[in-house]
Amino acid sequence: KNEVEQSPQNLTAQEGEFITINCSYSVGISALHWLQQHPGGGIVSLFMLSSGKKKHGRLIATINIQEKHSSLHITASHPRDSAVYICAVPSGGGADGLTFGKGTHLIIQP
Amino acid sequence: DAGITQSPRYKITETGRQVTLMCHQTWSHSYMFWYRQDLGHGLRLIYYSAAADITDKGEVPDGYVVSRSKTENFPLTLESATRSQTSVYFCASSDSTGRYYGYTFGSGTRLTVV
Repeated sequence: KNEVEQSPQNLTAQEGEFITINCSYSVGISALHWLQQHPGGGIVSLFMLSSGKKKHGRLIATINIQEKHSSLHITASHPRDSAVYICAVPSGGGADGLTFGKGTHLIIQP
Repeated sequence: DAGITQSPRYKITETGRQVTLMCHQTWSHSYMFWYRQDLGHGLRLIYYSAAADITDKGEVPDGYVVSRSKTENFPLTLESATRSQTSVYFCASSDSTGRYYGYTFGSGTRLTVV
C-alpha cells in the first residue's frame, strides 16, 4: 500500500509570497492528484499528473517519478488561496481508490 | 444539474440507529467511492464500486454497508451507528481507480452520532 507524506502540515504566509507544498510517496505510481479543500467545504480536484509539470493560472504542479516526489506551487499568493491542499496517489497493492496525505493547511494573510 | 450530489449535508443521529447517506452522480462514471475524513487521519476509503452490482471493501469498512443497483447511485448505510462513526463523509466518482482519470467529489455529509 502506498504511503503519502506531505510537508509542511501548516503554512502561514503573506499575500504575494511564492508558496511550495511538498508530497512524497512510497510506491511507484501512474498518476498523482492535488486537491483543494476550503474550510467547511467540498474537495476540488486541482491537478492529476503523471510526469513533468502542469500549470493552471497561478498554480503549478510538478512531479519527479524517479524520486517519488511532487510539489505544488502557488505564485503571487492571495488570501483566497487559503485552504487545505491534499496530495493523493493510487493506493496500489491490489487496492483500488486513492491514498491521501494528511493535507497542508495554508493561510495567506493580507 | 450534472455532477455528484450527496444528501443530507448534515445529519445528527443517535447511537444504535441505522442511517443511510445518499450519493448520486450524473457523469455515468463507472467507479464510485465512499471516504471518511477525520482529523489526524485525512481521507480514508470505506467502500468502492467498479460498476453496478460490484462493490469492494476499502481501508475502514467495518460497520458500513453499501449497494449499487444502479450506476448513478451509491448509498452508504451505517447499520448501527456508533460515536466513532462521527465524521465527514465524501462520495466520489471517476472513470478509473485514480490511475488514469481525475476524481469528482461530492460536497460531503457531516454526520454526528450522539
